[in-house]
Amino acid sequence: EDQVTQSPEALRLQEGESSSLNCSYTVSGLRGLFWYRQDPGKGPEFLFTLYSAGEEKEKERLKATLTKKESFLHITAPKPEDSATYLCAVQGVGTGRRALTFGSGTRLQVQP
Amino acid sequence: DADVTQTPRNRITKTGKRIMLECSQTKGHDRMYWYRQDPGLGLRLIYYSFDVKDINKGEISDGYSVSRQAQAKFSLSLESAIPNQTALYFCATSRTGSGGTDTQYFGPGTRLTVL
Repeated sequence: EDQVTQSPEALRLQEGESSSLNCSYTVSGLRGLFWYRQDPGKGPEFLFTLYSAGEEKEKERLKATLTKKESFLHITAPKPEDSATYLCAVQGVGTGRRALTFGSGTRLQVQP
Repeated sequence: DADVTQTPRNRITKTGKRIMLECSQTKGHDRMYWYRQDPGLGLRLIYYSFDVKDINKGEISDGYSVSRQAQAKFSLSLESAIPNQTALYFCATSRTGSGGTDTQYFGPGTRLTVL
């Protein structure tokens, strides 16, 4: 059974204070690891897909990295508008397992 | 216009009532999904459909049923609603991609309250 654990559950940063969010996963054959951003009362918004260990992707102040056991979402010099819940999900191999398994998310608050 | 729409956006109903949540997409994707989100539990898969004739149960399908009326429409029904089905419900879509990995795109959600 695929499992995803995200830490910390909540994180409060000052504007400009860089940090990282962690996503630890267990899956028997990784097809992809996904990061989403979710604002209150809205649907998750896709950020990145990572496919193999060592891969990195960047978008504005966000950079996602992947190892064989975990992924990190690095936030550099965050701004208040980066405040949201960040969700991590994995997709395993096999026809019956194409759906995503999500972690419970990290709630990020960036204060001005 | 939004690529994935859900109706209604908010619904309050009573225990025992039948309710249907609808999802439509204009992305041209073949795969559609229904998730529920509860505080502290993350998103959990209810049902998924890879095409109109291919419907599969997810991890929490008990108490729910679905209908894929067309490639662009996927509805979720609660035959007899109960209070612990109070949650946020999300529809998602994806396109069959090479290598089997497909990014899912989510609708805005339906907030359902069962009294």
